[in-house]
Amino acid sequence: DTEVTQTPKHLVMGMTNKKSLKCEQHMGHRAMYWYKQKAKKPPELMFVYSYEKLSINESVPSRFSPECPNSSLLNLHLHALQPEDSALYLCASSQDRASGRMGTDTQYFGPGTRLTVL
Amino acid sequence: GENVEQHPSTLSVQEGDSAVIKCTYSDSASNYFPWYKQELGKGPQLIIDIRSNVGEKKDQRIAVTLNKTAKHFSLHITETQPEDSAVYFCAATLRWNYQLIWGAGTKLIIKP
Repeated sequence: DTEVTQTPKHLVMGMTNKKSLKCEQHMGHRAMYWYKQKAKKPPELMFVYSYEKLSINESVPSRFSPECPNSSLLNLHLHALQPEDSALYLCASSQDRASGRMGTDTQYFGPGTRLTVL
Repeated sequence: GENVEQHPSTLSVQEGDSAVIKCTYSDSASNYFPWYKQELGKGPQLIIDIRSNVGEKKDQRIAVTLNKTAKHFSLHITETQPEDSAVYFCAATLRWNYQLIWGAGTKLIIKP
């Protein structure tokens, strides 16, 4: 099973709201990722967690705050977003990202959360 | 840094014909090349991948070829079907950095 689940599927929020996106995987993967995808573009990496520690933050504005409560869960907390933050937010996981063992870096994506900021 | 170029941006083929999408990469240290299919409103789905120690890999109607000398890799879909219609992304990762560098995507349209 290579399933990554994300909730909610759709989210509409105002610029003053606080909301959270959730991601879950039960594949035993120890690396988890948040991506942002605008229409007709490839995904852009936002954050990477490796063994529940934040290992990469691609200069993302502080209005996006990631959290990894345990090895199966990944959250993205949203606060004071702008309309240009409207996009598809994708979560992905891979078995590992630091060991260098072949095959452990393959990333599996969830279905995404379609976010609209009014 | 690594750069991946993908062509064409749109490909329209008759159902039953073959489709080929090509990508080139810039860094010879890249060693992993996945292909993702993304249907409208869904997340990218891994359909096939290849590593730098292999020249070709097949999975039913899908195949990927890698030419390390020329630094390009291609996706081949044979006997195309309507459900193959989607956007396809190629990507590459460097040996020491597991971040995916993405191509711009190809919209594949299968004409009935």
